[in-house]
Amino acid sequence: GQNIDQPTEMTATEGAIVQINCTYQTSGFNGLFWYQQHAGEAPTFLSYNVLDGLEEKGRFSSFLSRSKGYSYLLLKELQMKDSASYLCAVLDSGGYQKVTFGTGTKLQVIP
Amino acid sequence: EPEVTQTPSHQVTQMGQEVILRCVPISNHLYFYWYRQILGQKVEFLVSFYNNEISEKSEIFDDQFSVERPDGSNFTLKIRSTKLEDSAMYFCASRATRGGTEAFFGQGTRLTVV
Repeated sequence: GQNIDQPTEMTATEGAIVQINCTYQTSGFNGLFWYQQHAGEAPTFLSYNVLDGLEEKGRFSSFLSRSKGYSYLLLKELQMKDSASYLCAVLDSGGYQKVTFGTGTKLQVIP
Repeated sequence: EPEVTQTPSHQVTQMGQEVILRCVPISNHLYFYWYRQILGQKVEFLVSFYNNEISEKSEIFDDQFSVERPDGSNFTLKIRSTKLEDSAMYFCASRATRGGTEAFFGQGTRLTVV
């Protein structure tokens, strides 16, 4: 099975940098996704990591350490519109490619 | 840009009634999913579908639930006899290939059981 942990809530200031952590224990692993979800809306894809290291995409970066079962999402130059939930999700290594979500971290950006 | 579409956006139903939630995945995708999100809670996996059959299902997906891909484009979730606790947002998602391609989500159907 999959066990994915994230902090429940975080608060950060506009213009600052915030790091959202995710730890996982899984029976199979074929990569990790980060999604953003605004209240009442569908999750939207941010990043995918399968190899160790940092993937940078504009203001957002995602890091993975497979040996530690650990990932983080780094958001730079925070904007008010970044207030949302950030979901860590693990892709199974099995044949049918199940994607399992963590509980999500609700980020509030304040002025 | 291709997208996953879901209908209806909102559905209110009486307890015990059957509901069918509809999804049109992205046309060349191979893996299809239903997820559920109760208000304020996590996105929960219900079922995955590949090669015209269920590939995996969660404990939530009991005998009251079924999925179908009747015509090669639609992907439906049926709840046979709804319960109050089935009230949630239901998301359909699809993925293109076996590798690390992301799941694209529809905008969801908000189901309210009264």
